[in-house]
Amino acid sequence: GAVVSQHPSRVICKSGTSVKIECRSLDFQATTMFWYRQFPKQSLMLMATSNEGSKATYEQGVEKDKFLINHASLTLSTLTVTSAHPEDSSFYICSANRPDRKTNYGYTFGSGTRLTVV
Amino acid sequence: QKEVEQNSGPLSVPEGAIASLNCTYSDRGSQSFFWYRQYSGKSPELIMFIYSNGDKEDGRFTAQLNKASQYVSLLIRDSQPSDSATYLCAVVGNQFYFGTGTSLTVIP
Repeated sequence: GAVVSQHPSRVICKSGTSVKIECRSLDFQATTMFWYRQFPKQSLMLMATSNEGSKATYEQGVEKDKFLINHASLTLSTLTVTSAHPEDSSFYICSANRPDRKTNYGYTFGSGTRLTVV
Repeated sequence: QKEVEQNSGPLSVPEGAIASLNCTYSDRGSQSFFWYRQYSGKSPELIMFIYSNGDKEDGRFTAQLNKASQYVSLLIRDSQPSDSATYLCAVVGNQFYFGTGTSLTVIP
């Protein structure tokens, strides 16, 4: 089945620094990837849609200058949290859909990244 | 109004019992419905998806969809302690909309 790899799984950083999270589709090409954020005991909230070769589409309320998304190839999307602050501490999850699948069950989630900003 | 609503629980059932999880959604035009299981600190994993009204069975899991009433449910038969997790309902409209999840505990 489709595999999406996310790295790192955990990261602790100091306030004011930047953190990059990678999301790779291992056995398929993903023209679109999605980035979610999940706070404790809350649901997944879509932050942005990453499109290969073009600008990402951000959801309302998500700062595009703070959460930089790069989708430079068909297998890799990166999310960079710039100038991280403690309130950015959260569980970040990416997902991708196989473009050759017409049914939505092709969505696969990465393993997630636990970001802690101290 | 939230796109997808779930009872947050917690729901506790004894081992071997049937666990019933419910979800309602607001967009009547939604076509695709999913149930995910999420263990603490882990990413969601797909359990089932359903597109058509009625029941869909897969092993111990049965998804039920009623588009007229705008609800989708998940039944887990012969519940096992390993089923203890948070179950997320997801509905596809313009994007994936997730419910807040129902926490299930299966008591040995």
